[in-house]
Amino acid sequence: QKEVEQNSGPLSVPEGAIASLNCTYSDRGSQSFFWYRQYSGKSPELIMFIYSNGDKEDGRFTAQLNKASQYVSLLIRDSQPSDSATYLCAVSRGGRRALTFGSGTRLQVQP
Amino acid sequence: GAGVSQSPSNKVTEKGKDVELRCDPISGHTALYWYRQSLGQGLEFLIYFQGNSAPDKSGLPSDRFSAERTGGSVSTLTIQRTQQEDSAVYLCASSLVGQSNQPQHFGDGTRLSIL
Repeated sequence: QKEVEQNSGPLSVPEGAIASLNCTYSDRGSQSFFWYRQYSGKSPELIMFIYSNGDKEDGRFTAQLNKASQYVSLLIRDSQPSDSATYLCAVSRGGRRALTFGSGTRLQVQP
Repeated sequence: GAGVSQSPSNKVTEKGKDVELRCDPISGHTALYWYRQSLGQGLEFLIYFQGNSAPDKSGLPSDRFSAERTGGSVSTLTIQRTQQEDSAVYLCASSLVGQSNQPQHFGDGTRLSIL
């Protein structure tokens, strides 16, 4: 079992729709959760981070964390073609500074 | 500079040669990380530096890989006797401090190709 799992996609949504990206993790000691966006040929760009159970909103983005279910998600409202990218979920635990990444979900927003 | 700076952006070398990759973190960031991303693979942690503390080398795949950070700022990742499986994008990231809740910000990476 991978430490951080994501559906590789592609997840295809029409422009203006809500895109829902999901991530599960295996280490119950995980404390901090990050979402990065990576365009093809580019480096990862931080989108959101969340530490506590519940929802965290930033503009069109909402991160959701459920530690009991070991599940974190990213919602993108009013999806735009420019949101088309690979979204990486990353997890860290208190005693380890390095991030553990999922393999990413490729999102395609259709105009 | 405004962001993490890495050089070179691309490096092509022959199998068996040594390579050095450079990373200049965001000004004021005390923690520095190296990762690599192989084709079709996720990001893989290599090494972590925090201030003057001993680095966390737990992710280095073999003793051909080493890294140093001079003066608490610039870091160099060295790969000796390169192999074709070393071909990947090597990414450097920095964070304000080395805590698990600190967001890490990535540079543009060095694309390494071993012929």
